[in-house]
Amino acid sequence: DTGVSQDPRHKITKRGQNVTFRCDPISEHNRLYWYRQTLGQGPEFLTYFQNEAQLEKSRLLSDRFSAERPKGSFSTLEIQRTEQGDSAMYLCASSLAASGLQETQYFGPGTRLLVL
Amino acid sequence: GDSVTQMEGPVTLSEEAFLTINCTYTATGYPSLFWYVQYPGEGLQLLLKATKADDKGSNKGFEATYRKETTSFHLEKGSVQVSDSAVYFCALDPLGGSTLGRLYFGRGTQLTVWP
Repeated sequence: DTGVSQDPRHKITKRGQNVTFRCDPISEHNRLYWYRQTLGQGPEFLTYFQNEAQLEKSRLLSDRFSAERPKGSFSTLEIQRTEQGDSAMYLCASSLAASGLQETQYFGPGTRLLVL
Repeated sequence: GDSVTQMEGPVTLSEEAFLTINCTYTATGYPSLFWYVQYPGEGLQLLLKATKADDKGSNKGFEATYRKETTSFHLEKGSVQVSDSAVYFCALDPLGGSTLGRLYFGRGTQLTVWP
């Protein structure tokens, strides 16, 4: 069983650059979530997909952020024109949503972003 | 709005001591409640959950009871081990039931257990 994987695990970039992160969910999971976690805080919801449809976006997700899940499998999160305040751990989680099923979100190891 | 308030850390205990980490919540509906654990260098792992009032979640010697009257979901363990050292997060799904959406997390509590 390969859990949720994320790539890269660490990213250092200069302010103003674009970065893209990838998340591969557990294979049969139809929902995929992105969260952001800053130092000393719990994860904060950014957005989620059911299959390829993006169903909800947090107001934390500014227009510099875009997420896709083109074939309902892996997802990418892109940050354009990065700012120092974007430095955080970006977490991906996946779950299986089905009628009558109690869901559980399974998290990946995260991508730690540092913007210089 | 929906939120979770979690006991401030860090918590430092000796091995075999009793652990309590407090968690209270605010929700307009009937949420599901969770405890996640994050070991150093690893992702969040689900520790236990409860989906309705008076449910008790349990796993690896940890327990938490969903108390609607006090809006609480405190985490307890009778005898901690060094391997329990981690950050513990209380979380809430405001929709509850089988319609899982976004989770709301507390700030996390760092637990360190000394031998």
